[in-house]
Amino acid sequence: EVQLLESGGGLVQPGGSLRLSCAASGFTFSSYDMHWVRQAPGKGLEWVSGISSSGGNTYYADSVKGRFTISRDNSKNALYLQMSSLRAEDTAVYYCAKADWRYWGQGTLVTVSS
Amino acid sequence: DIVMTQSPDSLAVSLGERATINCKSSQSVLYSSNNQNYLAWYQQKPGQPPNLLIYWASAREAGVPDRFSGSGSGTDFTLTISSLQAEDVAVYYCQQYFGIPLTFGGGTKVEIK
Repeated sequence: EVQLLESGGGLVQPGGSLRLSCAASGFTFSSYDMHWVRQAPGKGLEWVSGISSSGGNTYYADSVKGRFTISRDNSKNALYLQMSSLRAEDTAVYYCAKADWRYWGQGTLVTVSS
Repeated sequence: DIVMTQSPDSLAVSLGERATINCKSSQSVLYSSNNQNYLAWYQQKPGQPPNLLIYWASAREAGVPDRFSGSGSGTDFTLTISSLQAEDVAVYYCQQYFGIPLTFGGGTKVEIK
């Protein structure tokens, strides 16, 4: 059974940093591109970042480019999102998703507030 | 960036009636080399992640009831629920995966009339 489990969310002050993790199981993690998608409270879905199966290619939304870094450790079946210079508008539930879009985690809430 | 525009923002449909949601992309998401439209539809219920319903614009995901169907090509797409059931109350999103950045429509909230 495919499982994606996000962790690392929480309350952080504006300008602060946070690292999200996504633990994957039930599939050959190293064979799939992965993505982060976020959803602000009461709002729609916004793609944040994607990474190729090897980690050699990364992609970002303009809204996070230069502030967020996506990475993965295929030996640990783990996906990461390092977030820095956080802003109030980054407040959202962050989901990791397998690149076939069939499987999503339950999400982790990031709140940026003083 | 490819902008995805959904309509309506919300709709209320009687149980057993048809619900139709439209999605328009600002540029074609049809890839000529494989003749596939890079367009997906999702259902999202409160407190849950999105659930893939349709991919390649019209291919139904395994386990999705056949009352859900997708159609369209190029820039204009439709999700149809042929006979609305109570469990279909949700927000529905379209998404293009033709180009980076991947983009979603703004969502359509479906309710029971």
